[in-house]
Amino acid sequence: DADVTQTPRNRITKTGKRIMLECSQTKGHDRMYWYRQDPGLGLRLIYYSFDVKDINKGEISDGYSVSRQAQAKFSLSLESAIPNQTALYFCATSVSDNSYEQYFGPGTRLTVT
Amino acid sequence: AQKVTQAQTEISVVEKEDVTLDCVYETRDTTYYLFWYKQPPSGELVFLIRRNSFDEQNEISGRYSWNFQKSTSSFNFTITASQVVDSAVYFCALSERIQGAQKLVFGQGTRLTINP
Repeated sequence: DADVTQTPRNRITKTGKRIMLECSQTKGHDRMYWYRQDPGLGLRLIYYSFDVKDINKGEISDGYSVSRQAQAKFSLSLESAIPNQTALYFCATSVSDNSYEQYFGPGTRLTVT
Repeated sequence: AQKVTQAQTEISVVEKEDVTLDCVYETRDTTYYLFWYKQPPSGELVFLIRRNSFDEQNEISGRYSWNFQKSTSSFNFTITASQVVDSAVYFCALSERIQGAQKLVFGQGTRLTINP
């Protein structure tokens, strides 16, 4: 079984709808991250969390919110989806050391019409 | 702030050719890590390598090799005798430490197409 899972894998939604993307991990890592990928822009950090009580904004947090329900779960919400949030979203985890190595989920392809 | 530049947006070569993907970075940190990830058409991100800034030895793994040059702030990736299965988007990334957080800054990616 995959160590980092994301649900759903694909989602099409309409403008103005609220949507939640979920991430679960079995690696026991403290740190979790949400990125979005757009063509030609690489991956950009939306939010990251050191532990359940510590959540921080990344470089493009506007229009998004997150919830760290448990060490193993980190959800990303779009309160009112808009078309320019159409992207590939990745969740990642890492240990609390200096390795900087992050383990990525399979990605969620979100389309907002 | 940290920055990673992959100037080659797309590269297309014929199978069995060698190909080099460029990565140039900017950082204020004295200690940092550099990474390469592969994203095949299926979309997942596959970790290829992590290199510590103190280790400037080149690395070779099968047909893959990496050339880290601190003097030019570059971490280039070469595929020797390319194969169709190497077709993917490749990302270079740089570590960034902000307020105790370990973050990765990614380049824009290079789309590599290997033609049979």
